[in-house]
Amino acid sequence: AQSVTQPDIHITVSEGASLELRCNYSYGATPYLFWYVQSPGQGLQLLLKYFSGDTLVQGIKGFEAEFKRSQSSFNLRKPSVHWSDAAEYFCAVSSQAGTALIFGKGTTLSVSS
Amino acid sequence: KAGVTQTPRYLIKTRGQQVTLSCSPISGHRSVSWYQQTPGQGLQFLFEYFSETQRNKGNFPGRFSGRQFSNSRSEMNVSTLELGDSALYLCASSLVPSGRETQYFGPGTRLLVL
Repeated sequence: AQSVTQPDIHITVSEGASLELRCNYSYGATPYLFWYVQSPGQGLQLLLKYFSGDTLVQGIKGFEAEFKRSQSSFNLRKPSVHWSDAAEYFCAVSSQAGTALIFGKGTTLSVSS
Repeated sequence: KAGVTQTPRYLIKTRGQQVTLSCSPISGHRSVSWYQQTPGQGLQFLFEYFSETQRNKGNFPGRFSGRQFSNSRSEMNVSTLELGDSALYLCASSLVPSGRETQYFGPGTRLLVL
């Protein structure tokens, strides 16, 4: 069965420091991978997505993610975190067959000054 | 272009009642999906509609149902509410039902069942 694992429930990063949020997936075929961000009381906003091609994907707000097939991972990175990045981040996978997204449990990012 | 809108934003119901939530997709989007978000279970797929037809359904009891209208607007209904139905219900729209399509989420309807 398809699944997504985000090993870190909560991460605290100092403002200006780099960030890496981990995501591992389990899926038989080549998955479509997404990172979404959710601010308190808000819906989900797409940060970036990977379908095929270049395994390093650039997204909005300075985020990037790298698809590593051998490790079944799709980690999200940002070189310098801003206080406004504090939110909950979700990794998700879908299939070619349909749009149903399977989400990880999410990682809450706190930014300290 | 306006985003996905959901009404109402907040709702309080009691056990045994039923509730209907509404979702208006982005103009031109024909696929609408619904998700339930709870602290314990996280984000879970409920169902997806395209061209007024349910294409896909998650693992939820029959008390959860939905429909889509000819203008792509969608409603979901929960009958005989249980305490565990308290959640944030998110609607997402996309142009067509494909895994490659980006889903754009609304702000959600927060349902509290007492």
